[in-house]
Amino acid sequence: AQKITQTQPGMFVQEKEAVTLDCTYDTSDQSYGLFWYKQPSSGEMIFLIYQGSYDEQNATEGRYSLNFQKARKSANLVISASQLGDSAMYFCAMSFTGGGNKLTFGTGTQLKVEL
Amino acid sequence: DVKVTQSSRYLVKRTGEKVFLECVQDMDHENMFWYRQDPGLGLRLIYFSYDVKMKEKGDIPEGYSVSREKKERFSLILESASTNQTSMYLCASKSPGLGRGYTFGSGTRLTVV
Repeated sequence: AQKITQTQPGMFVQEKEAVTLDCTYDTSDQSYGLFWYKQPSSGEMIFLIYQGSYDEQNATEGRYSLNFQKARKSANLVISASQLGDSAMYFCAMSFTGGGNKLTFGTGTQLKVEL
Repeated sequence: DVKVTQSSRYLVKRTGEKVFLECVQDMDHENMFWYRQDPGLGLRLIYFSYDVKMKEKGDIPEGYSVSREKKERFSLILESASTNQTSMYLCASKSPGLGRGYTFGSGTRLTVV
């Protein structure tokens, strides 16, 4: 069974600093995808970044990058130059082709950006 | 842009009531999903569907059923609502393939009293 682990229930970061949100996963599948979503207090789920298991380079989307370490089964999200608007819940998730494309989520990390 | 619309943002229902949560997507996606979100537990999959009239149980299907009579609509049914089903419910849809492309609705916060 697939499992996603996020060990940081809450994180604080100063504005303009970089922050890393941890995510580890467990799967026996070779073909899978890793996602990060942001959920502000409004409740909407905002897609941030995607990494395929066969992608050789780490994914980047603007200020977001995914530090993919396949051997360690780790997919940490790095947010550079944090902004107050980055304060939100962040979820790591995984999908795999054998599972009907369902997403399995971690428990989330609540990030607060401070002045 | 793909839109996933959940019919209600907030719902309050009584214990024992039959509750319908509706989800409609406008991009002809085959895959649709229902999740519930609880603090400290993340999002947990209740049911998903990969085609009309096709459904599969997710991780926590007990107390729920689903209906997909048309491709664009995926309904979650609480046959007899209980207080432990008080939660945020999120619907999502996805085009085929492993990659990105999941779109979530804005959620329904259900309170069962």
